[in-house]
Order: sequence, then C-alpha cells, then structure tokens
Amino acid sequence: QKEVEQDPGPLSVPEGAIVSLNCTYSNSAFQYFMWYRQYSRKGPELLMYTYSSGNKEDGRFTAQVDKSSKYISLFIRDSQPSDSATYLCAMNPGNTGKLIFGQGTTLQVKP
Amino acid sequence: NAGVMQNPRHLVRRRGQEARLRCSPMKGHSHVYWYRQLPEEGLKFMVYLQKENIIDESGMPKERFSAEFPKEGPSILRIQQVVRGDSAAYFCASSPQQGTEQFFGPGTRLTVL
Repeated sequence: QKEVEQDPGPLSVPEGAIVSLNCTYSNSAFQYFMWYRQYSRKGPELLMYTYSSGNKEDGRFTAQVDKSSKYISLFIRDSQPSDSATYLCAMNPGNTGKLIFGQGTTLQVKP
Repeated sequence: NAGVMQNPRHLVRRRGQEARLRCSPMKGHSHVYWYRQLPEEGLKFMVYLQKENIIDESGMPKERFSAEFPKEGPSILRIQQVVRGDSAAYFCASSPQQGTEQFFGPGTRLTVL
C-alpha cells in the first residue's frame, strides 16, 4: 500500500465548474500538507500549504485537511481552462525534509 | 526575489558518461532537496542537504549517485556512468527551514542515449 493515494484521473470538467481533488494517506505522523500544480514539462508550483485540520482558503482555492480520516482535499471554484494541469498532493511529518507525493491527478477544464 | 534556479534545463548524455545537475536555492533558503520524476510517475524524494551537510539520503540509489551543497556555490547532483534508466526529470526544491513549504525549480530533463 502506498503511503499517499491519489486518483490519477484524468478528470474533465466544463469551465466554471467546482473541482474536487483528493488524497488519502496511511501515516498518521504526517503533519504538513501541500498542494502543487504542475503544467506539462514545468516544475511543481506550490498552491497551498496547511499544517492543521480544517479549511484554508486562497482566492479560488480551498484546501481541506481531515486528520482523523487521513484525507485531504483541494477545491477549485469557477475553474478556468488555465487550471488544466496535474495537481499533486504532498505530505511531510515535520521532523524530516522528505516530501511524500501522491501520483498526481490530471485535470482538464474545457471551455 | 528570484526563484529556485536549475541548470542545465536539458542534458543529453551517452551511456557511461557523467551528468552534473546544478541547483541554486531561493535567496535566504539553506535547505535543498532533490527529487526525480520518471515518465508517468510521481515525484520521488532523493536527498536532503543543508550547507556542507547531507541530512537525509534515503532516496538516493546506492551506487553512481552523489550530491553536495558546498559552503559557496550551488548544490550539485552527480550521476556517474549514466544508464538509460536514469532518463528522467530531476527537480530541486528549497525551503527556509526543515518541515516548511518547499519551492521547486524548473527541473533538468536528462536524456541518456
């Protein structure tokens, strides 16, 4: 069993839709949670960084962490074609520099 | 404030040659991490360094791979005697402290012929 599970998709939605991306994890030691966006042949771009259960909002993006269920989500409101990319969740127990990544979910937003 | 810099962006090597990948962290960041992304796979941790020290190399292959982060200059990931299986995108990230958010560079795409 992988430490972090993420459905690779692809996920296709119409422009303006609300997108929900999810990851589950098995290691209860994970304390820090990140979401990255990666365009084709580019480096990952940090979108959200959270370290506690609950919600964190930044513009059209909301990150949600449920440590009791070992489940994290990223919501994208009013999705745009420019949001089409691969979204990676990543986790860290805090006492190490190592990030453990999910496989990534490929999102396509159709005009 | 410039982001994480990596060079070269593309590197082609023949089997048996050496590959040197360079990474300059963001200004003020003293923690550097290297990750590898194979085609159709997620990012895999390789090594974590601070200035002049290797903190965690648990993701590094035991042979042919080495990394350093000298007191002056960029961090270097070195792959000796490359094989076709080394073809991948290699990303460097940096952070101001351990356990905080990591910012990634654009990557070096290594192709081994």
